[in-house]
Amino acid sequence: EVQLVESGGGLVKPGGSLRLSCAASGFTFSSYSMNWVRQAPGKGLEWVSSISSSSSYIYYADSVKGRFTISRDNAKNSLYLQMNSLRAEDTAVYYCARQGYCSGGSCYSGGRDDAFDIWGQGTMVTVSS
Amino acid sequence: SYELTQPPSVSVSPGQTASITCSGDKLGDKYACWYQQKPGQSPVLVIYQDSKRPSGIPERFSGSNSGNTATLTISGTQAMDEADYYCQAWDSSIGYVFGTGTKVTVL
Repeated sequence: EVQLVESGGGLVKPGGSLRLSCAASGFTFSSYSMNWVRQAPGKGLEWVSSISSSSSYIYYADSVKGRFTISRDNAKNSLYLQMNSLRAEDTAVYYCARQGYCSGGSCYSGGRDDAFDIWGQGTMVTVSS
Repeated sequence: SYELTQPPSVSVSPGQTASITCSGDKLGDKYACWYQQKPGQSPVLVIYQDSKRPSGIPERFSGSNSGNTATLTISGTQAMDEADYYCQAWDSSIGYVFGTGTKVTVL
């Protein structure tokens, strides 16, 4: 079964740090670009960061640039998000998401402008004093 | 910056057709995709590359994208389709952009 499982969320004080992890299984993790997407309570989806399959390309939303760092370990089938200098507005459920699509029984990694086809269950990050 | 605008809500009767629009500058020049999110659940991809359905998504979901508007159409809407729907596109200057979201209510 194709699965993404996030962990590492919790309560942290403003200015603090947290490291999120996403464990992938059921597919060839090293072939896919991966993403972090967040959703503040009662709000819409917000893309946070992306990393290509070999870590050659990394992108960040302006709202987290300079504070968050995305990384991956293909040998461990894992994606990470190091979050520093956390603010109250970073409070959200954080999802990891695979980039690609499945059609006709086969799955493809797709291009940079492709959709996010597999999502984890999310991990809650609360930034509060 | 780049923004994708959706209507906040759409209401539809069971068995009827629901159309959800997503507006953005020259959106038709980009790939648009759509996600369904039910309360307390993770988003699910329902349309990718403007009009393609992932494996397992019912045929009643269809999509189109032209000009400045992408549209998600749900034909023969069922009660189980009640959810929030988000469009998404990639913009080379700012990355991935999600639409503002539309709550679909099946009356």
